[in-house]
Amino acid sequence: KAGVTQTPRYLIKTRGQQVTLSCSPISGHRSVSWYQQTPGQGLQFLFEYFSETQRNKGNFPGRFSGRQFSNSRSEMNVSTLELGDSALYLCASSLWAGASGANVLTFGAGSRLTVL
Amino acid sequence: AQSVTQLDSHVSVSEGTPVLLRCNYSSSYSPSLFWYVQHPNKGLQLLLKYTSAATLVKGINGFEAEFKKSETSFHLTKPSAHMSDAAEYFCVVSFSGSGNTGKLIFGQGTTLQVKP
Repeated sequence: KAGVTQTPRYLIKTRGQQVTLSCSPISGHRSVSWYQQTPGQGLQFLFEYFSETQRNKGNFPGRFSGRQFSNSRSEMNVSTLELGDSALYLCASSLWAGASGANVLTFGAGSRLTVL
Repeated sequence: AQSVTQLDSHVSVSEGTPVLLRCNYSSSYSPSLFWYVQHPNKGLQLLLKYTSAATLVKGINGFEAEFKKSETSFHLTKPSAHMSDAAEYFCVVSFSGSGNTGKLIFGQGTTLQVKP
């Protein structure tokens, strides 16, 4: 059974550019969540999608956006990149919406974004 | 407000000795509690979860955690450390309750160093 697949694994961008990251969930999982990991702020929730609808959003500026397709694959986009956006972006999938003991999140390996 | 605190940012043990990673949480709601591990340049792997079925939870690779409601703690232990246990460990909470949609809240992480 394939795990959560994130592409690309590494990428380098310059300030002002935009970036799109992709996440393919485990087959049958309908919820996809995104988290940002930085040395200073740790792991922070970005947003969650379930059945193509954004269910929950973290405290990030509008430059951060996402979407989910009918096959449950998800993309997140960051526009007008800033140096502080350099981070590991982790995607997680689960069967249903809302992380809980009965609905555990499985994480991908992440996409490491460097902004120069 | 819901939060989770890992009491040690860095723990160093010798191979074959016990491991204790400490975690406290605060919540007005019933929590689901997790420990995840992250090896360098990898995603997050679930070690174990607490879902109110039993206060002592067994996970993978010989790890255990005990939920103590009176102390709002969920400490992670292992009787005998192995070199392969060296990694970053995250105590994670999700809450179910009014106004909460089940996102994960991460502790700041504890780096476990295992010395030969």
